[in-house]
Amino acid sequence: NAGVTQTPKFQVLKTGQSMTLQCAQDMNHNSMYWYRQDPGMGLRLIYYSASEGTTDKGEVPNGYNVSRLNKREFSLRLESAAPSQTSVYFCASRLSGLSSYNEQFFGPGTRLTVL
Amino acid sequence: ILNVEQSPQSLHVQEGDSTNFTCSFPSSNFYALHWYRWETAKSPEALFVMTLNGDEKKKGRISATLNTKEGYSYLYIKGSQPEDSATYLCAFFAGGTSYGKLTFGQGTILTVHP
Repeated sequence: NAGVTQTPKFQVLKTGQSMTLQCAQDMNHNSMYWYRQDPGMGLRLIYYSASEGTTDKGEVPNGYNVSRLNKREFSLRLESAAPSQTSVYFCASRLSGLSSYNEQFFGPGTRLTVL
Repeated sequence: ILNVEQSPQSLHVQEGDSTNFTCSFPSSNFYALHWYRWETAKSPEALFVMTLNGDEKKKGRISATLNTKEGYSYLYIKGSQPEDSATYLCAFFAGGTSYGKLTFGQGTILTVHP
């Protein structure tokens, strides 16, 4: 099992460009998450998908959109990148369901720089 | 926005010292409290998932306690080793209408000096 995979690992964009960060998991998990990590800020939730077919905003959704393409894949799109979106982005997944108390599994991260 | 606070922000200890840090979280809408360990240049990995008031979990030299009524959890490391150096994150898993949402604290950075 590959676990949670993210592509690309690194990306440099110019202000105003768009791009999509891809995330896939092969653990048959129901819930998937996108976080950004900035120095001194910990991990902040951008969007999450508690189950296939649903998506919800997290703490910092502005400037982002997501698509839960199927149970395996959850993509994050930046429509018009801004320097404030320079960050490391982590995708995570979790097996969920009624009365489940399972942990999240994280991908390796995507380091994005917006010039 | 849920307030999940961790203290201290950073901690330097000598090898062999025991240490502990705190996570405070809202006492309403509680579903679970997660602890993660995050080593530099790696991804966070789960240590514990705690669900019941009074829960105590242990993994080797690391243990954690949970008080949901007052909204705090402690993480303890006994006899710290240099390989324990990492950032320790707690995360509040909300129930109710926000079920599935996981909010992280900013982390405690632990450095263990040989």
